[in-house]
Amino acid sequence: ELKVEQNPLFLSMQEGKNYTIYCNYSTTSDRLYWYRQDPGKSLESLFVLLSNGAVKQEGRLMASLDTKARLSTLHITAAVHDLSATYFCAGVNFGNEKLTFGTGTRLTIIP
Amino acid sequence: DTGVSQDPRHKITKRGQNVTFRCDPISEHNRLYWYRQTLGQGPEFLTYFQNEAQLEKSRLLSDRFSAERPKGSFSTLEIQRTEQGDSAMYLCASTTWGTDTDTQYFGPGTRLTVL
Repeated sequence: ELKVEQNPLFLSMQEGKNYTIYCNYSTTSDRLYWYRQDPGKSLESLFVLLSNGAVKQEGRLMASLDTKARLSTLHITAAVHDLSATYFCAGVNFGNEKLTFGTGTRLTIIP
Repeated sequence: DTGVSQDPRHKITKRGQNVTFRCDPISEHNRLYWYRQTLGQGPEFLTYFQNEAQLEKSRLLSDRFSAERPKGSFSTLEIQRTEQGDSAMYLCASTTWGTDTDTQYFGPGTRLTVL
């Protein structure tokens, strides 16, 4: 059974700083997803990483995937307040394609 | 494309009552998933449909839970004899299975509070 772990669980950063969220998963996952969730809201798809070495970037966020290490990272560059949210990574179970989520990283950007 | 919609957005009920939630997926999507999210946790898989067929149910889904997708379009999730432990956000997601990414798009959720 696929298990996904994220760290840190909580992250408080100053505006303008860089930081990385880590996502480890236990068994082979065909793809790795990153979602964003604002308080009281649903999940917004950010990235899908399909293969080893995949890198995707959107604005100040960059996600990468290392399937050999079973590790994905979400890197935040020059953080701004609008990026404050909870970020989830999720792996995929073969066959039923259900998502297994990590516990999330609650990111707070301090002015 | 209006995205995934869910109704109601909030439901407060008393313990022991039955509740039903509805999910309307993105129209061309053939797979529909239900997840449950409790405070401070990531969503957990409950069940999924491909077209009208329910293909898998999680062990989290007790006998009090039932889901349907009668015509392969909208889906309903019913909880009978609700318990306080059922309080959570119930999320629906849909996707077109077989694409490169199979990204699941989530609805706004139904927040259930059982008193």
